[in-house]
Amino acid sequence: AQTVTQSQPEMSVQEAETVTLSCTYDTSESDYYLFWYKQPPSRQMILVIRQEAYKQQNATENRFSVNFQKAAKSFSLKISDSQLGDAAMYFCAYRSGIGGSQGNLIFGKGTKLSVKP
Amino acid sequence: ETGVTQTPRHLVMGMTNKKSLKCEQHLGHNAMYWYKQSAKKPLELMFVYSLEERVENNSVPSRFSPECPNSSHLFLHLHTLQPEDSALYLCASSGWEGASGNTIYFGEGSWLTVV
Repeated sequence: AQTVTQSQPEMSVQEAETVTLSCTYDTSESDYYLFWYKQPPSRQMILVIRQEAYKQQNATENRFSVNFQKAAKSFSLKISDSQLGDAAMYFCAYRSGIGGSQGNLIFGKGTKLSVKP
Repeated sequence: ETGVTQTPRHLVMGMTNKKSLKCEQHLGHNAMYWYKQSAKKPLELMFVYSLEERVENNSVPSRFSPECPNSSHLFLHLHTLQPEDSALYLCASSGWEGASGNTIYFGEGSWLTVV
């Protein structure tokens, strides 16, 4: 069975600084997708960034980028130029590439990010 | 604005009541999901519907009854719930194929309190 581990329950960053959130996963599959979701106090789960396992190039979305290390099964999220609106719970998630639209998302327990002004 | 909308956003119900949560997706997706998020547990998948057919039921008690009348709508019917069922219920949807199809998009959630 696949597992996702986020070892940092809480992190803090100064506004405008850079922070990296860690995520490791375990799987025997070769075809899968990895995600970072953000859950602000409103509790809506918002997609931040997505990485296809078959792609070697790390995904980037504006201030958000990932460091995907497939062999090490590591998938960290870097937030550059942190803003107050980035404060939220961040969840790392795994989805198998098998099963099409029916495959389940497996979530880590989350990292609570605080941004200090 | 979200492509997945849930109503009501907040619901308080007694243990003997019958209520329903509604979800609608405007993304043209073919799969819909119910997740439960409670304070002390990671997100739990409850039900998956693909093309209006239930494809997964993760040992959810029968007091939760899903309904998917078409690919855009998903309901969660609630009856004789317990206080421990109080949680945030998240609806989600996903598309057909490719990387986009493998991305699950979530609604804003429905807060349920059972008294």
